[in-house]
Amino acid sequence: NAGVTQTPKFRVLKTGQSMTLLCAQDMNHEYMYWYRQDPGMGLRLIHYSVGEGTTAKGEVPDGYNVSRLKKQNFLLGLESAAPSQTSVYFCASIPAGTYGYTFGSGTRLTVV
Amino acid sequence: GEDVEQSLFLSVREGDSSVINCTYTDSSSTYLYWYKQEPGAGLQLLTYIFSNMDMKQDQRLTVLLNKKDKHLSLRIADTQTGDSAIYFCAVTGGFKTIFGAGTRLFVKA
Repeated sequence: NAGVTQTPKFRVLKTGQSMTLLCAQDMNHEYMYWYRQDPGMGLRLIHYSVGEGTTAKGEVPDGYNVSRLKKQNFLLGLESAAPSQTSVYFCASIPAGTYGYTFGSGTRLTVV
Repeated sequence: GEDVEQSLFLSVREGDSSVINCTYTDSSSTYLYWYKQEPGAGLQLLTYIFSNMDMKQDQRLTVLLNKKDKHLSLRIADTQTGDSAIYFCAVTGGFKTIFGAGTRLFVKA
């Protein structure tokens, strides 16, 4: 089925551990985004990409890195996890010049 | 920076109309959206309006845009229990979209 797929769906990390969240889309969308969702705060943009090989910082980039080596994949890395990074992470994509994101179903990350 | 604000909760009776309001600060926004999020799921695009429009109707949904006051609203007619969800207002300018904190709609049977 066409769409945005996020893996894993759930993860528990210990403080200081690292991990990578994978986002894959099969719709040939140019733009991809990583958001985090925290209660009462809506979605905050972490990093985004407007094409293969490009990335840019969003509103809350500290503690995260991203890569877009292939157009269909957008990876989000946590270098040294902290409890403040406990959140639900959403990936989204959109074709260039159009409107309305397609979202993945989210990754629930808990850092203990 | 740009900001989008919404009230956090709304409770209505089944069959009534729901009106969810949103205000934003970025006057250069070109697209304005409403997304719906059901428990445990990602956001789903519900409807949108271009900044050069002031109203859009789509079945039970009516979107009103007041550009002068930077106010966006979503009206759901004949609200059903299946409409219970979190509704996010979002505005786009350039590459980025700014989301509100979401309004949790409770529908009482």
